[in-house]
Amino acid sequence: NAGVTQTPKFQVLKTGQSMTLQCAQDMNHNSMYWYRQDPGMGLRLIYYSASEGTTDKGEVPNGYNVSRLNKREFSLRLESAAPSQTSVYVCASSEGVDRGPDTQYFGPGTRLTVL
Amino acid sequence: KQEVTQIPAALSVPEGENLVLNCSFTDSAIYNLQWFRQDPGKGLTSLLLIQSSQREQTSGRLNASLDKSSGRSTLYIAASQPGDSATYLCAGGGGKLIFGQGTTLQVKP
Repeated sequence: NAGVTQTPKFQVLKTGQSMTLQCAQDMNHNSMYWYRQDPGMGLRLIYYSASEGTTDKGEVPNGYNVSRLNKREFSLRLESAAPSQTSVYVCASSEGVDRGPDTQYFGPGTRLTVL
Repeated sequence: KQEVTQIPAALSVPEGENLVLNCSFTDSAIYNLQWFRQDPGKGLTSLLLIQSSQREQTSGRLNASLDKSSGRSTLYIAASQPGDSATYLCAGGGGKLIFGQGTTLQVKP
C-alpha cells in the first residue's frame, strides 16, 4: 500500500497563475482532507470531503476549490495564486467514523511557492 | 470555536531524559485527541489517539493522557533517544481536526 500520495512534491508559480494539486489514497477511505501548513501555525483545514460526492469548507477555504473525483482522489485547485498562498499543502484521509475514533493518514505534502 | 495550543514551541533535552509535551484545548466537548510526529520534509505520522471516553493510551515508550475537565493532554516520552527528535503535534476533534502549533523536540546524544 502506498497510503496517501501527492503530486507534485514542489511547485513554483507566479502571481495569478493557476494549478491543481493531486491527492490519492489506496486505503478505501471515505473521508479526505486538504490542509495548509505554515510555520508556527500548525495545520489548518482548507476543505474536506466526508464521503464521495460531498465537499465542505474548512477553516481557510478562500482562494481554493476542490473536487472529489472518485473515492480515491481529491484535488485542490488554486484559480489565481497569490503570495499569501505560499505554503506546504498536505492531504489526508480517514475511514470517516463520525464522532468516533478516526485516525487520519497524511501524505508527504506539496511545497508551493508563489512569487 | 475549538483552539489548540502547544507549549513550548521548542524543547532540547539530553538523551535518556523522561519528558512531557503539553497540549491544551478550549472546548471540553472534544471527540478525540490525537498526537502526531512529523520529521523534517516528511508527512505526519499518527502516534496515539485518545477517544473522549478514555483517559490515556500507551504505545511503547509513549504515553498520552487526556483530561477533558481541565482541557489538557500530555504526551510522555520515557528514556528519550536521539531518534525521537522531531516535531510533535496534537490535534483535537472528530473528522475536522484542529491542530496545535507543534513542539519541536531535539534529543542530544
